[in-house]
Amino acid sequence: AQTVTQSQPEMSVQEAETVTLSCTYDTSESDYYLFWYKQPPSRQMILVIRQEAYKQQNATENRFSVNFQKAAKSFSLKISDSQLGDAAMYFCAYRSAKGTGTASKLTFGTGTRLQVTL
Amino acid sequence: DAGVTQSPTHLIKTRGQQVTLRCSPKSGHDTVSWYQQALGQGPQFIFQYYEEEERQRGNFPDRFSGHQFPNYSSELNVNALLLGDSALYLCASSFLAGAPEQYFGPGTRLTVT
Repeated sequence: AQTVTQSQPEMSVQEAETVTLSCTYDTSESDYYLFWYKQPPSRQMILVIRQEAYKQQNATENRFSVNFQKAAKSFSLKISDSQLGDAAMYFCAYRSAKGTGTASKLTFGTGTRLQVTL
Repeated sequence: DAGVTQSPTHLIKTRGQQVTLRCSPKSGHDTVSWYQQALGQGPQFIFQYYEEEERQRGNFPDRFSGHQFPNYSSELNVNALLLGDSALYLCASSFLAGAPEQYFGPGTRLTVT
C-alpha cells in the first residue's frame, strides 16, 4: 500500500517571501502521479499542481513549483512571492497510474497548515 | 462551466440514524469518488463509482454504501451512524479516460450527536 507523509504540521512565511513544504511517499510502483492540493477555510480542495512520475522536469504553475526527487521519493512544493491568499492547509497526494482508464484513488498526507504574515 | 456540487452543506444526525449525501460531478466527468476527512486529518478514500458500479473501495465498513445515476451524479449513504462518522465528506469527480486529477466539491459537514 502507498503512504504519503507530511512531516511539517505548520509552517509560516512572510508575505512576498518563499516557503517550501515537504512531502515524502512510499510506493513500489514506478508509474504514478503526485499532486498538491490547497484547502482554505472554505473547505474546498483546490488542485495546485500535478507531477507525472515519468517526467524528469519539475512541474511549475505560476508562483508554485515542485522539486520531484523520484529516487528519494520526495515531492516538495515551493511557493514564491507568498500572498495572504496562500494561507491554507496544503495536502500532498499520490495516485497510481497503473492501467489506463482504471479507477484509482488518491492517497493523502496529513497536511501542512501554512500561515502567511504581513 | 459548473464545478462539483454537493448537498447539503451541513447535516446534524443522531446516533443510529441513516444519512444520504449527494454529489453532482463537474460537467464532462463520468467518475465520482467519495472521501471522508476527519478534523485535522487528510481525506480518506471511501469508494469510487464509474458506469453506475463501485469500482474501488477503501477500508470502510458496509454501513457505507453508494450509488451512481445515469447522469453521473452520486449518493453516499451511511447507515447506523456512529459518533465517529462525524466528518467532512468530500466528493471528487474525474474523467476516467482523461487527466488523472480529481476535482473536489465543497463538502458536506456531518455531525453525529
